[in-house]
Amino acid sequence: NAGVTQTPKFQVLKTGQSMTLQCAQDMNHNSMYWYRQDPGMGLRLIYYSASEGTTDKGEVPNGYNVSRLNKREFSLRLESAAPSQTSVYFCASSEVRTGYGYTFGSGTRLTVV
Amino acid sequence: AQTVTQSQPEMSVQEAETVTLSCTYDTSENNYYLFWYKQPPSRQMILVIRQEAYKQQNATENRFSVNFQKAAKSFSLKISDSQLGDTAMYFCAFSSHGQNFVFGPGTRLSVLP
Repeated sequence: NAGVTQTPKFQVLKTGQSMTLQCAQDMNHNSMYWYRQDPGMGLRLIYYSASEGTTDKGEVPNGYNVSRLNKREFSLRLESAAPSQTSVYFCASSEVRTGYGYTFGSGTRLTVV
Repeated sequence: AQTVTQSQPEMSVQEAETVTLSCTYDTSENNYYLFWYKQPPSRQMILVIRQEAYKQQNATENRFSVNFQKAAKSFSLKISDSQLGDTAMYFCAFSSHGQNFVFGPGTRLSVLP
């Protein structure tokens, strides 16, 4: 089925460890996004890529890096995980940065202990 | 910067009844888009309904409809004939051309048997 695929679905890290969240879409969308979801705060944008070859910071970029590997793939890296990064992470894609809505992946629940 | 407010953190409704979820937003834009997303316990984000600000007619999708009041910057979601499967978090979101989405904090809806 067409859509956005995120891996892994669950992850537990120790403080200071690093990891990369993978995201791939097969809808030929230009724009891709990484959000984190915390209780009572909705979804907050970490980084986005408006088109292949470009990345930009969102609302909460500190502690994260991203790579737009190609048009399909957009990864999120935590270099040194902290308990404050415990959250649910969503990748999303859209055809353009406008009014057609995002397609979301199924999310990654990350716990940093 | 645009903001989205959902003033009802939690709501409940009896099965088969009607419920309205509130959303207000703040923007200086004239052309923009508004969305309601549903997040069931599976965690998947599902687009429920979309409204274009330049269209005066309220959007409807089966049992879901919106009351869009542009002057009041209000965008409420009405769910008719509520079903147990409607139990979920509901997020209101705003987007304008060339800008990323802004999400509200969410409303947790419980449909009671």
